[in-house]
Amino acid sequence: DAKTTQPPSMDCAEGRAANLPCNHSTISGNEYVYWYRQIHSQGPQYIIHGLKNNETNEMASLIITEDRKSSTLILPHATLRDTAVYYCIVRVYTSGTYKYIFGTGTRLKVLA
Amino acid sequence: DTGVSQDPRHKITKRGQNVTFRCDPISEHNRLYWYRQTLGQGPEFLTYFQNEAQLEKSRLLSDRFSAERPKGSFSTLEIQRTEQGDSAMYLCASSPTVGNEQFFGPGTRLTVL
Repeated sequence: DAKTTQPPSMDCAEGRAANLPCNHSTISGNEYVYWYRQIHSQGPQYIIHGLKNNETNEMASLIITEDRKSSTLILPHATLRDTAVYYCIVRVYTSGTYKYIFGTGTRLKVLA
Repeated sequence: DTGVSQDPRHKITKRGQNVTFRCDPISEHNRLYWYRQTLGQGPEFLTYFQNEAQLEKSRLLSDRFSAERPKGSFSTLEIQRTEQGDSAMYLCASSPTVGNEQFFGPGTRLTVL
């Protein structure tokens, strides 16, 4: 069962920041939040992950609320190539490994 | 290219036929995962290998499905007596012993007629 809830779609103007929200109200204390994106007909691509602190890398920033019940992925300057489905994922530990629980994702469309 | 590769990329088959897919993980990644993705949905976990040992199988993996990783390197996923409901994208991912990020392959799209 999915542990995340995301809006099904969003639009963003090229060059502007894209803010993608995610609710994960049932997340446990040691479960990480991961973000991946999937461009049509390709496999998911890793973007960023975090536990409780905000994180930033060359692709994006991840803001996690203090209660960890929600997070926001920020693409600071969206380009047309950022058009994709973005998945917010909770990583759970089971049977000796970490397993990803995907939600249904947000389809982001970057507009010229 | 040293990423995860999958073969074939597309497979069309008739109902009742058997199909087999192959996944080559990133070299030295000892963890390998299979996922299934249907249209409009996120990927769903099917099974996981650590080296050659299959350590977990989802209840989604019916008796018609079998996965192997005989030498702890590449893996195969076989579906016997395919049904139309098996039509989906089958994704493979791998990860190293240390570190948690999963690297996904491009997937095999199966269409059962």
